[in-house]
Amino acid sequence: DAGVIQSPRHEVTEMGQEVTLRCKPISGHDYLFWYRQTMMRGLELLIYFNNNVPIDDSGMPEDRFSAKMPNASFSTLKIQPSEPRDSAVYFCASSLTLGTTFFGQGTRLTVV
Amino acid sequence: QKEVEQNSGPLSVPEGAIASLNCTYSDRGSQSFFWYRQYSGKSPELIMSIYSNGDKEDGRFTAQLNKASQYVSLLIRDSQPSDSATYLCAVERGNQFYFGTGTSLTVIP
Repeated sequence: DAGVIQSPRHEVTEMGQEVTLRCKPISGHDYLFWYRQTMMRGLELLIYFNNNVPIDDSGMPEDRFSAKMPNASFSTLKIQPSEPRDSAVYFCASSLTLGTTFFGQGTRLTVV
Repeated sequence: QKEVEQNSGPLSVPEGAIASLNCTYSDRGSQSFFWYRQYSGKSPELIMSIYSNGDKEDGRFTAQLNKASQYVSLLIRDSQPSDSATYLCAVERGNQFYFGTGTSLTVIP
């Protein structure tokens, strides 16, 4: 398996634009997670899905953020409108069980 | 109070020494405990998991869990420069999963 695949690897966008991050989890994994990592706040869980259903979205910072998982092999994280403070590395991860999580390579988002 | 707390470091040890990384957690209901390693610019990778009190060894790595003290540690024996990374402690409780902010380790050749 190729592991968790994220795209794009890097994204630079202007404030106010919509940003969509994409993720393909490892086949057969029931859990999918979206994390955000910054120097100041470390690794923060934004939302996670179990069997394509959102279980906990309490980490989503505000309504500008939304995530979907239309099927077992694809998820998106959307930010609309984007702001400079959204600049971070966004990781998608998947697992068979909570804890033993495999991370994608991340998307480095810069909002200018 | 944070769910998971780690000393951010940096922790520096000479090559060949034992590196000791510590983590405390706030909720006694926490059930499973994990150590992840993250190299600079890379994604976290799981290196150890531990579920019951005591020690668990895997090669040069030993995870230690003390539920009474709500304390998890990771020992790295014979530290190598390639062990230089940030080590993240993670805790599972029910349907919740929390990471600490990580401890930066530098192994000096």
